[in-house]
Amino acid sequence: GAGVSQSPRYKVAKRGQDVALRCDPISGHVSLFWYQQALGQGPEFLTYFQNEAQLDKSGLPSDRFFAERPEGSVSTLKIQRTQQEDSAVYLCASSRGLAANNEQFFGPGTRLTVL
Amino acid sequence: GDSVTQMEGPVTLSEEAFLTINCTYTATGYPSLFWYVQYPGEGLQLLLKATKADDKGSNKGFEATYRKETTSFHLEKGSVQVSDSAVYFCALSDASNQAGTALIFGKGTTLSVSS
Repeated sequence: GAGVSQSPRYKVAKRGQDVALRCDPISGHVSLFWYQQALGQGPEFLTYFQNEAQLDKSGLPSDRFFAERPEGSVSTLKIQRTQQEDSAVYLCASSRGLAANNEQFFGPGTRLTVL
Repeated sequence: GDSVTQMEGPVTLSEEAFLTINCTYTATGYPSLFWYVQYPGEGLQLLLKATKADDKGSNKGFEATYRKETTSFHLEKGSVQVSDSAVYFCALSDASNQAGTALIFGKGTTLSVSS
């Protein structure tokens, strides 16, 4: 079956532009996560959805970052007025349930470069 | 807060050598522990996991044992292959975290195996 997909795979933005990154999770997966991975680092948590509810957004680095999952499936991460420090790979992951030991399935990521 | 520390790389080995990548963690609750692998040009994928103390996770010849007394989850393989060259991430998920079941990652260890 299809895995987690993300689009675009690569995005180049000029400083100050708004960007929108899309995530299509595995069908039927309840939980959806966004992570940010800087070069040479491990992924860091941004936000978490359970179905359409955003239960935690404590990892979002500023109020320029906004995420939604209106129908409990596809999710969009939006970054307003991009800055150079936003350059990173943005990873989306989904899992079937809510338990801490559930496997998270990762998408290929969107590499964002802000010039 | 919760954290994961893993040995810095790169780790360079010859084929058939023994591999150990150290990982220690700090957690307030009773976390589940994971090793994820990222092959060149591919997304993160789960390698193995353990959900409680003394559990051993294993897959593709890799093993890791959940040691609560030393708060460790070291990754081992008896005989590495060139195809094992990748970046390895140790991670935990702690249901007592505010972020639900979000993963907390180490910084990653790059393994390079030569023939």
